[in-house]
Amino acid sequence: AQKVTQAQTEISVVEKEDVTLDCVYETRDTTYYLFWYKQPPSGELVFLIRRNSFDEQNEISGRYSWNFQKSTSSFNFTITASQVVDSAVYFCALSTSGGYQKVTFGTGTKLQVIP
Amino acid sequence: EPEVTQTPSHQVTQMGQEVILRCVPISNHLYFYWYRQILGQKVEFLVSFYNNEISEKSEIFDDQFSVERPDGSNFTLKIRSTKLEDSAMYFCASSGNPNRSPSPYEQYFGPGTRLTVT
Repeated sequence: AQKVTQAQTEISVVEKEDVTLDCVYETRDTTYYLFWYKQPPSGELVFLIRRNSFDEQNEISGRYSWNFQKSTSSFNFTITASQVVDSAVYFCALSTSGGYQKVTFGTGTKLQVIP
Repeated sequence: EPEVTQTPSHQVTQMGQEVILRCVPISNHLYFYWYRQILGQKVEFLVSFYNNEISEKSEIFDDQFSVERPDGSNFTLKIRSTKLEDSAMYFCASSGNPNRSPSPYEQYFGPGTRLTVT
């Protein structure tokens, strides 16, 4: 069985602050894929990043960065210099077998960026 | 950029009625999925479909649900007799053609159909 835990239900930050969203996962598979999705108020799921279990390099994309640590089964997401447009629900997710299997989502973290 | 489309964007139906939610996956994809998100909750897997048959389904996907790929482009989710608790956002996703872009390992999600059962 696989499980994704996002302990932070809601976070509020003031614009320009940095914020880290936590994600802890559980799986018995040695090959797996981790994802982050953004869900704005309009409801669609916006893909942000995919990492496979063999690639522990951290990644930076503009104001976004991801810290993958297999030793602690964590895949945390940091937004630097947050903006109001970052306000959304963020889901961490896990899939095994090359992504051809189901994606298991965490419960999401609602981020509110206050101007 | 290729995308998954879903119709309608919002469906309102009365309890006990049948509904069909439609999806057009990315054209060269081989794997298709339906997920459900009850308002304010997490996204939950319903079913995956490959080679014209269900490859995996969750406990939620009981006998009132069915999926079909009636032609080369559409992928549908049918709910035979809707209940109030079926009210949710339903997402279709597709993935997987290792020989072609975009990434075969990523499930591309459609914009969702919001189903309201009254």
